[in-house]
Amino acid sequence: DAKTTQPTSMDCAEGRAANLPCNHSTISGNEYVYWYRQIHSQGPQYIIHGLKNNETNEMASLIITEDRKSSTLILPHATLRDTAVYYCSSGGSNYKLTFGKGTLLTVNP
Amino acid sequence: GAVVSQHPSWVICKSGTSVKIECRSLDFQATTMFWYRQFPKQSLMLMATSNEGSKATYEQGVEKDKFLINHASLTLSTLTVTSAHPEDSSFYICSAREGQGTSQPQHFGDGTRLSIL
Repeated sequence: DAKTTQPTSMDCAEGRAANLPCNHSTISGNEYVYWYRQIHSQGPQYIIHGLKNNETNEMASLIITEDRKSSTLILPHATLRDTAVYYCSSGGSNYKLTFGKGTLLTVNP
Repeated sequence: GAVVSQHPSWVICKSGTSVKIECRSLDFQATTMFWYRQFPKQSLMLMATSNEGSKATYEQGVEKDKFLINHASLTLSTLTVTSAHPEDSSFYICSAREGQGTSQPQHFGDGTRLSIL
């Protein structure tokens, strides 16, 4: 499983886009990139995942670089309820996910 | 869809007690479930992978006789912390994968906060 690196913390103004980066330079060809977030004292919430192409759903967009060594999660219009720890992970055929320390995103009013 | 329910939400018990935690996939079948542990201000640490109808696979350093896992059906996995001691106090979280495809994400329960006195 690839090791991921994320900034420890980030701030974002309410209503603005939040761009959360993740480095996964050791990711292998068949491993997907997954993003989750965890609000205090709750289980992680699935956000989005992708392999090569950029992905978008109702929660966020995922931009994966062409070499797949990094990705960016975009929350287009951050709200106060988006304040959470965001985890980037990767997983392949063994289905296991490895979680790093994540990024604490604080959305400010 | 893809809801995972975990029970109980929190439990306080005396040292030496065994505690069972249930993880259910409510609206899908899960051949694979995972158990994690999270200490305060730390990330999730995978403890074991639970496969329906077979023995669980434990991560290095996790005692299989201490943390008993049973995955008897496609919708239920249980984790039993045997003879729990204060150092076992933690936040235990389960997850389940929907379907067989490699890309299917894990969906997590809301966790069980275990406090051993």
